[in-house]
Amino acid sequence: EIMLTQSPGTLSLSPGERATLSCRASQSVRSTYLAWYQQKPGQAPRLLIYGASSRATGIPDRFSGSGSGTDFTLTISRLEPEDFAVYFCQQYGPSPKYAFGQGTKLEIK
Amino acid sequence: QVQLQESGPGLVKPSGTLSLTCAISGDSISDSNWWTWVRQPPGKGLEWVAEIYQSGTTNYNPSLKSRVTISVDKSKNLFSLRLNSVTAADTAVYYCARIPFHYYALDVWGQGTTVTVSS
Repeated sequence: EIMLTQSPGTLSLSPGERATLSCRASQSVRSTYLAWYQQKPGQAPRLLIYGASSRATGIPDRFSGSGSGTDFTLTISRLEPEDFAVYFCQQYGPSPKYAFGQGTKLEIK
Repeated sequence: QVQLQESGPGLVKPSGTLSLTCAISGDSISDSNWWTWVRQPPGKGLEWVAEIYQSGTTNYNPSLKSRVTISVDKSKNLFSLRLNSVTAADTAVYYCARIPFHYYALDVWGQGTTVTVSS
């Protein structure tokens, strides 16, 4: 079973700043199989990035994904007030088919 | 616009069976997508539960496999989840979602339904 570890657990930044969120896998993951989601309180997760670096439909270009192997990154180039939320990475693997990281909370400083 | 809507009892007794349905609008369950359930215990992260393809092929989380069944109803364009022998640990928000074939990510989600296991 591949484990995903996200860091930091909480990230405190101000609007306009750059956010860098990390997702580390316990084994190598194909880039095709890595995705990122945003979740706001009381809402369902929203797909941001799939295939490690492809933005989902309607996602602003300030969101970008990168990485390969065991280290993946979600970058938000310039934070908007609506970006403060919890972010999850997710991988597709042999068993279980889908697994999520524990999440990074992005909060307003 | 594709929309998913979960429905089912909000309260289930311990040792009972949790039954949820996910109604699909704006898409056909017979198209090339996987359909899946994910749950989120209060204040915690996301746990994938199960998925099904329109052909009936299923995959389950090994941690739940002995208790869970996912199925499709093509005539009603919906899919369902059953979880047996529930305990308080199964209390969660349950989401249904779509996974486009060869996408490996959940691109459309329902709003979620809260299920509490309590006597």
